[in-house]
Amino acid sequence: EIVLTQSPGTLSLSPGERANLSCRASQNVGSQFLAWYQQRPGQAPRLLIYGATNRASGFSDRFSAGGSGTDFTLTIDRLEPEDFAVYFCQQYGGSPPLSFGGGTKVEIK
Amino acid sequence: QVQVQESGPGLVKPSQTLSLTCTVSGGSINSDGFYWTWIRQNPGKGLEWMGHTYYSGNTFYNPSLKTRLAISVDTSNNRFSLKLNSVTAADTAVYYCARVSRHFYFGLDVWGQGTTVTVSS
Repeated sequence: EIVLTQSPGTLSLSPGERANLSCRASQNVGSQFLAWYQQRPGQAPRLLIYGATNRASGFSDRFSAGGSGTDFTLTIDRLEPEDFAVYFCQQYGGSPPLSFGGGTKVEIK
Repeated sequence: QVQVQESGPGLVKPSQTLSLTCTVSGGSINSDGFYWTWIRQNPGKGLEWMGHTYYSGNTFYNPSLKTRLAISVDTSNNRFSLKLNSVTAADTAVYYCARVSRHFYFGLDVWGQGTTVTVSS
């Protein structure tokens, strides 16, 4: 079973700062099959990054992501008020076929 | 633009069966390259993949739910459904239907708004 562990659980930052989020897998994840989502309060998650590094449409280039194997990162430059949300990583292809990390909450300091 | 929308009762009694339907609009559920999935989120918690189906009817389930869960597809009405039996309070959650897209390396690119289901007598 592939378990995704996200850290930190909560990140307290000020607008304009950079956020660095981590997603670590218990086993190798096909690098193409790692995605990130943004979830704002009361809303459904929204696909942010797919294929580990590709930004989905509608998201600013302040969002970037990378990694391979078991270690993946999401970086948000120059935090804007609308970026404060919860971020989840997700893998496909392991066992179970699809799973999510526990999430990182980016909150205003 | 493809959209999905959950529907079903918001309150289910313990030990009964939770039934939800997801209606797909703006595109065909028969399209190749997509899985149709159910995700749930317990209050204040993370996301749990429950299972997904292909338009052919092939299904994949989370092992933790496999004995209680059935996901089916109704291509004639462009919808898919979830049945979770023997529910308990632990099944209280927001339930989302979504689309898993091969084009996005099996990311979930379309989500419903979610429907809250409470298990209580």
